[in-house]
Amino acid sequence: DVKVTQSSRYLVKRTGEKVFLECVQDMDHENMFWYRQDPGLGLRLIYFSYDVKMKEKGDIPEGYSVSREKKERFSLILESASTNQTSMYLCASSFRIRVNTEAFFGQGTRLTVV
Amino acid sequence: GESVGLHLPTLSVQEGDNSIINCAYSNSASDYFIWYKQESGKGPQFIIDIRSNMDKRQGQRVTVLLNKTVKHLSLQIAATQPGDSAVYFCAAGPGGKLIFGQGTELSVKP
Repeated sequence: DVKVTQSSRYLVKRTGEKVFLECVQDMDHENMFWYRQDPGLGLRLIYFSYDVKMKEKGDIPEGYSVSREKKERFSLILESASTNQTSMYLCASSFRIRVNTEAFFGQGTRLTVV
Repeated sequence: GESVGLHLPTLSVQEGDNSIINCAYSNSASDYFIWYKQESGKGPQFIIDIRSNMDKRQGQRVTVLLNKTVKHLSLQIAATQPGDSAVYFCAAGPGGKLIFGQGTELSVKP
C-alpha cells in the first residue's frame, strides 16, 4: 500500500516562529503536494513539486516555501508563522503529472499558531 | 480562475437510502475527475475516479456520473450505511494537479 507520512499530527507554534512540516512517501512518486484545509474552503493547493529540486506555486503560496532535496521527502516551511496560518495541512503524492491518477494523502498535521 | 464547487455543504440521509452528492467544475479543459472520502481525523481517501472520455463509472456501491456539457459530476452511494458518514470532496484537473471543491458532509441517520 502507498504510504504518505506526515511527521506530526498536532503542532502548536508561536507567532513569528519558523515552522517545518515534513512529509515522506514510500512509493517513488514523482509528484508531491501541500494543501491546507479550512472549514468551508475545502483543500487549497499551496505548493507542488514534480521532481527533485523542482517546485511550483499553487493557489495560496504567500507566507510559505517548500524544499524537495530527495524524491521521497517534501517539506513545507512557514518562514514566520502567523495566526492566520492555523489550519490543517495535508501532504499528498502521485505519479508523474501527465498521467491522470489519484493523489494519496497523509493523515494531516493540525497546526495551531498562538 | 479554475473552481470546483459542491452544491450542498451538508446532506443527511436515512440508513439504507441512496445518497447523491453533486459537484460542478468550471474548467472545460479538465479531463480527470475524482471523489475522495475524508473521515474525522484522517486524510482524504480515494473512492472512485473517471476520465473525460467516459460518462459513467461504477465501483462497489458507488457510481460516478459525468456530464461534460454542463460541467457537472455526481457521486451516488447505494444503500448508504453509517460507515459512509464522512466529508466527500470532488476534485478536477488536467494532469496531476487537482483542484478540490469545498466538501459535502454526509450524515447517515439510523
